Amino acid sequence: KQEVTQIPAALSVPEGENLVLNCSFTDSAIYNLQWFRQDPGKGLTSLLLIQSSQREQTSGRLNASLDKSSGRSTLYIAASQPGDSATYLCAVTYSGAGSYQLTFGKGTKLSVIP
Amino acid sequence: EAQVTQNPRYLITVTGKKLTVTCSQNMNHEYMSWYRQDPGLGLRQIYYSMNVEVTDKGDVPEGYKVSRKEKRNFPLILESPSPNQTSLYFCASSDGRGIETQYFGPGTRLLVL
Repeated sequence: KQEVTQIPAALSVPEGENLVLNCSFTDSAIYNLQWFRQDPGKGLTSLLLIQSSQREQTSGRLNASLDKSSGRSTLYIAASQPGDSATYLCAVTYSGAGSYQLTFGKGTKLSVIP
Repeated sequence: EAQVTQNPRYLITVTGKKLTVTCSQNMNHEYMSWYRQDPGLGLRQIYYSMNVEVTDKGDVPEGYKVSRKEKRNFPLILESPSPNQTSLYFCASSDGRGIETQYFGPGTRLLVL
């Protein structure tokens, strides 16, 4: 059974700092990996999707990498801002019984201090 | 505007009283799914649907039912809710049978007394 782990569970950084969030998964037979952002009391917003054949994806100040063989992904946030404060979740899509399922990590709660 | 909508957003009910949470998407997506989110347990998939009339169990399907009669709608049914189903529920949709970007609804916060 696929398991996804995110470390650390919480992170606090001063504004302007670059930071890295980590995600690991146990089964490397994945189709893709997604990073999401969740603000308190709200739904999830997809930030980046990396297909299994890709090594990284970039969007603005965000860069996500994927090392499928080692079961790891990182989300790099450059020049952090208070507006980046949220919980960040990673999720892997894998094949289960002939269809596709998503498994989520429990998230990293990020606080960017002005 | 492309979106996933859920209703109601908040619901308080009593044990055993049947309820339905609706989910609708306007992106013509084939794949739809339901999740529950609980503190310390994260997001867990309840049911998913690859297309109309095709549904399958996720990781925590006990106590829930779903149906997919139309492509845009995927209601979640709790036939006899119990307090352990108190949770935050999310509906999501995706193109490409679930292997593309997932779009989430705003969530439904359910309290079962």
